[in-house]
Amino acid sequence: DVVMTQSPLSLTVTLGQPASISCRSSQSLVSSNGGTYLNWFQQRPGQSPRRLIYKVSYRDSGVPDRFSGSGSGTDFTLKISRVEAEDVGVYYCMQGTHWPPWTFGQGTKVEIK
Amino acid sequence: EVQLVESGGGLVQPGGSLRLSCAASGFTFSSYLMHWVRQAPGKGLVWVSYISRDGSSASSADSVKGRFTISRDNAKNTLYLQMNSLRAEDTAVYYCARDEPEVGIDYWGQGMLVTVSS
Repeated sequence: DVVMTQSPLSLTVTLGQPASISCRSSQSLVSSNGGTYLNWFQQRPGQSPRRLIYKVSYRDSGVPDRFSGSGSGTDFTLKISRVEAEDVGVYYCMQGTHWPPWTFGQGTKVEIK
Repeated sequence: EVQLVESGGGLVQPGGSLRLSCAASGFTFSSYLMHWVRQAPGKGLVWVSYISRDGSSASSADSVKGRFTISRDNAKNTLYLQMNSLRAEDTAVYYCARDEPEVGIDYWGQGMLVTVSS
């Protein structure tokens, strides 16, 4: 199984400042068709997860452009250019290249200072 | 608008059974893979089970294999999870989730709490 490791597990950020979350996989997430199936999800308190980014760097419709995804192979990053109050929650990376099983990172809790 | 609405959760005793349903609307249900993902209280997301578009292929996590069965009825636009021999460690919010082929999981339901306790 592919193990997804996120860091940090907790992040306290000042409003308007940037934030960055790392996600590393135990093996390359490049599939045989050349695609890399690494998604990022946001889970606000008391809500269901919401996808922000798919295939490493494609932003979902309606997601603010302050969110961006990057990376390749086994190392991936979610960046928030300027954190806003509504960004509080837990962020998960998830791989869908080597399945089953689909696997998630442990989650990174983002709080406002 | 894509909607996934789970039902069927609740309190069940250890060793008991429960069937979750997920009613889908706002999209062509038969064109999408579907998943169940769970989240124990205060914990992270864990994949449980997957089913192919026509229901001919399915897979489950080792932790539920042999106890949980995923199925779907494309005529009723509904996904199911039959859960047998439930254990305390199965206590979680269960989400159904849609998976767009070649893209991945996108939409999630609101979640349904299953509590296994005597």
